[in-house]
Formats: sequence, C-alpha cells, structure tokens
Amino acid sequence: ETGVTQSPTHLIKTRGQQVTLRCSSQSGHNTVSWYQQALGQGPQFIFQYYREEENGRGNFPPRFSGLQFPNYSSELNVNALELDDSALYLCASSPGTIRTEAFFGQGTRLTVV
Amino acid sequence: AQKITQTQPGMFVQEKEAVTLDCTYDTSDPSYGLFWYKQPSSGEMIFLIYQGSYDQQNATEGRYSLNFQKARKSANLVISASQLGDSAMYFCAMREGGGSRLTFGEGTQLTVNP
Repeated sequence: ETGVTQSPTHLIKTRGQQVTLRCSSQSGHNTVSWYQQALGQGPQFIFQYYREEENGRGNFPPRFSGLQFPNYSSELNVNALELDDSALYLCASSPGTIRTEAFFGQGTRLTVV
Repeated sequence: AQKITQTQPGMFVQEKEAVTLDCTYDTSDPSYGLFWYKQPSSGEMIFLIYQGSYDQQNATEGRYSLNFQKARKSANLVISASQLGDSAMYFCAMREGGGSRLTFGEGTQLTVNP
C-alpha cells in the first residue's frame, strides 16, 4: 500500500451536478497531483498542488478546480458534470516537485448519467 | 506528436518466460525521467521502475529491468520469469524537467498464461 487514500471509491452523479473527490496524501508528501483516466486510456494530468498552491495545470476546463489543505490532503471539484467526465480519478502524492516516483491512490470511479 | 507511445495494446506470455513491453518517447528537454507503472483491475497505479535521462546504467528492480536506448528514445520494460500475478495493464510515463507532472502512454495489457 502507498499510504495515499481516496474517497469515495465509487460515485454516480447526474449530468449537471457537482462532485467533490478527496485525497489524503502519504505522510510527509507536500505535492499532490490529480489525473483523469477514461476507460481504456492512459491517465491525463489535471493539475498539481504544492504547499497549498496550484503548481501546474493540464488541458482541463475551469469547471475542474481543486484545493490543498495545510495537512496536504486535497480535493478535486468538478462543476456542471458532463457524460464525458465519467472516468477513474487518480490522486498521486510525492515529497516535492523534483522527486522521482509519485505514489498513487486506488482512485475514485465516477459515473455520470 | 505523442510524447509517449506504447505500440502494443495487448501482449501474451507464458508463465516463467520473459516479456518485453515497448515504449518510445519524445522530448526536447535534456533532463527527464521515465517510469513504468502497473495497474491491476483494482485501479491503483503501482510504481515499478525509474530511469533518469542522465543515468549511465539501465535500471533494474528485482524481476523488472528497463532497456534504455537514449539515441532511439526508447525505454522498454523487461519482465523476467513472468508470474500469473503480473497480468495487468502496464503504463510507460515521462516526467520532463524539474516538474512532477507525468505524461502517460496508452498502456499495454499483459496476460500471463499458465
């Protein structure tokens, strides 16, 4: 186990609703990244937080937003859900921006109907 | 252009045999890192092995080794003595420069047959 935990594990939402996904990073890790993995594809980078500040963003619209808290846990918020937002959302933590491997949680599987 | 290319959507190997999973990459940054992750059906991405662009030796971690050919921009994963538990999706990923953003390939589904 990596020590990175995500909640909930599964979620079903209706198109147009809002959702919040949560991630507890591994102890001592101050950098959290979020990825979206559509079925049959590789993960796509959404954004990264380093010491509570957004520190890089992928090609995702503003309705994808996030937060990082003083204990380095993080939230991913998605507004106005669309059917294409259905995916596995992965959180990864690392000790800092120049660290080698990132440690991933088990993911949250979001289904938008 | 794709930054990470994995050309094998699926691979099959017999238990106890070795298998090579292909990965090519594209970057103009002289400093980068290459990673392989395993993703079982449960969804968690499990780190396997890392190769830095300035590393002189090919990385090895137990049964995993990375065949790094810098001039050809390839970073193939070799799994020796395959086990049934190796059946999973395998992703090659790259980190460029000093950041920690990972760019992933499309993955290779490995099936180990008894």
